[in-house]
Amino acid sequence: QKEVEQDPGPLSVPEGAIVSLNCTYSNSAFQYFMWYRQYSRKGPELLMYTYSSGNKEDGRFTAQVDKSSKYISLFIRDSQPSDSATYLCAMSTNQAGTALIFGKGTTLSVSS
Amino acid sequence: GAGVSQTPSNKVTEKGKYVELRCDPISGHTALYWYRQSLGQGPEFLIYFQGTGAADDSGLPNDRFFAVRPEGSVSTLKIQRTERGDSAVYLCASGFGGGNNEQFFGPGTRLTVL
Repeated sequence: QKEVEQDPGPLSVPEGAIVSLNCTYSNSAFQYFMWYRQYSRKGPELLMYTYSSGNKEDGRFTAQVDKSSKYISLFIRDSQPSDSATYLCAMSTNQAGTALIFGKGTTLSVSS
Repeated sequence: GAGVSQTPSNKVTEKGKYVELRCDPISGHTALYWYRQSLGQGPEFLIYFQGTGAADDSGLPNDRFFAVRPEGSVSTLKIQRTERGDSAVYLCASGFGGGNNEQFFGPGTRLTVL
């Protein structure tokens, strides 16, 4: 079992839909949880960053962390064609400078 | 401000050759990371620098891979005797390296070994 599991999709939704992306993990020491967006042939772009459990909202994006279930989610409201990309979850322990452990990424396609 | 930059953007080489990949981190970032991303996979950690020293090189796959950061800014990832299995996108990220561990990625170098 990999440390971080993420369904690769692909996930196809119509414009305006609410999108739910999620990851599960096995290492209870993970404290930092991130979502990156990666467009084709580009580097990952940090989208959301959360420490420990709870919710964080930024515009159309909401990140949720449930440490008791070892489950994190990213919700995208009012999805747009420009949201079409691969979404990577990443996490790390609270040791300074430690490596991020990534999921495989979920490919999202939003059609207009 | 400028983000992380990486050169070259693409590198095609022949099996057995030596390659160098360069990373310019965000100004002021003391932490620098190298990751490797294969098709359909998430990035996998290779090495982490804090300042000039390699604080964690546990992700380097073997001794053909080496990285330096002599002045605490620019870093070079060096691969000797390249193999076809080394073909991947090599990503560099930088951050402040403190407890928050936010990492900002460059566009990557796509390495193809023929």
